[in-house]
Amino acid sequence: SQKIEQNSEALNIQEGKTATLTCNYTNYSPAYLQWYRQDPGRGPVFLLLIRENEKEKRKERLKVTFDTTLKQSLFHITASQPADSATYLCALDLGDTGRRALTFGSGTRLQVQP
Amino acid sequence: NAGVMQNPRHLVRRRGQEARLRCSPMKGHSHVYWYRQLPEEGLKFMVYLQKENIIDESGMPKERFSAEFPKEGPSILRIQQVVRGDSAAYFCASSPLPPGDQPQHFGDGTRLSIL
Repeated sequence: SQKIEQNSEALNIQEGKTATLTCNYTNYSPAYLQWYRQDPGRGPVFLLLIRENEKEKRKERLKVTFDTTLKQSLFHITASQPADSATYLCALDLGDTGRRALTFGSGTRLQVQP
Repeated sequence: NAGVMQNPRHLVRRRGQEARLRCSPMKGHSHVYWYRQLPEEGLKFMVYLQKENIIDESGMPKERFSAEFPKEGPSILRIQQVVRGDSAAYFCASSPLPPGDQPQHFGDGTRLSIL
């Protein structure tokens, strides 16, 4: 069966360090992958999208990689700040299964300590 | 520019009642998606609608749940004869084009509690 896995344990890091979050998937061949941020009591907010033919994408302090051989995406936040504390969700399209919507991982909670 | 608006933010129902959740997409967006989120879990796709059409309802339970997106007015997710297991946060998202390599814009959800 198809699966998206994100580390369910919270990631705790010190302010100023780089946070790296992982998204693994099996039995998919997504054309693109997206990352969202979700704060408690709020809806997800789009951060970055990376396509299957792109290895890396950057936006300010954020960087996403997409390895279709390993079936993995890494999401990096450099020079992390306490304000980056949130849950981060990866999402894939399942276009090759006929599902015309995003499928989300369960998210990884990031806590940046001052 | 208003984002995706969902109301009510909180809804309490007793078992057996009906719940109606509303979603107004962003201006210019004609594609709407509904997701359900249980505590400590990810978002689960329920249904994808375009104006007046249900495109994909493969994630929605066959019984008690229905969704519509009329030509005028908000999209409605309707849950009949609610049960305790329906307690969750329900999120709506919208996009200007069909699902593809573009972001979805989410509302802040409706938190449904069943007594």
